[in-house]
Amino acid sequence: QVQLVETGGGVVQPGGSLRLSCAASGFTFSSYGMNWVRQAPGKGLEWLAFIRYDGNNKYYAESVKGRFTISRDNSEKTLYLQMNSLRAEDTAVYYCAKVQEVWSVAGTGAFDIWGQGTMVIVSS
Amino acid sequence: QSALTQPASVSGSPGQSITISCTGTSSDVGGYKFVSWYQQHPGKAPKLMIYDVSNRPSGVSNRFSGSKSANTASLTISGLQAEDEADYYCSSYTTSSTVVFGGGTKLTVL
Repeated sequence: QVQLVETGGGVVQPGGSLRLSCAASGFTFSSYGMNWVRQAPGKGLEWLAFIRYDGNNKYYAESVKGRFTISRDNSEKTLYLQMNSLRAEDTAVYYCAKVQEVWSVAGTGAFDIWGQGTMVIVSS
Repeated sequence: QSALTQPASVSGSPGQSITISCTGTSSDVGGYKFVSWYQQHPGKAPKLMIYDVSNRPSGVSNRFSGSKSANTASLTISGLQAEDEADYYCSSYTTSSTVVFGGGTKLTVL
């Protein structure tokens, strides 16, 4: 079945780095744009980044621009989020989410498939 | 990009209808048809309920409907059921080629 599985979360010190992965299955990964969304404990959803189906277009929220990098490996059907210079306020559950429409070139499409999330805690 | 504005909470009795509003600007909600609504139960991932303002994905009950007027989108749930109790989030594409979510609305079924 269509599935996204995030891994890579954990506890990291302020200023540290972490790379999250999102493994896709059950659909043609290389045909869909992908996103990262996070949710701080007890808070709402925050969109972080979008990457086009072929990896050529990337867009970021201002809150993470310059610190986080979204990338993908279509041969491995995997989405990544490289997080650098982490801060306490980056503590959250991180979700990857698939765009509903095929061949999306920007973040216009709705997010029809979500992973279960991976927790990132930034603390000394 | 500021978050879209949603009421913090709404409530209704079983069988009733409720509406959740989502207010943005001409740079997001008012400028595009790309407004979506998500349902999130505690400890679970969000689920897409409405896309492109008023379209329902396959498998979503027709008790859920969406609309938009100017800079405000709305989600209406008719025939409230206990399992509808959850958090609801709207989202919109923006002129900055980004996506913005609303702050979320907690729906309580009395």
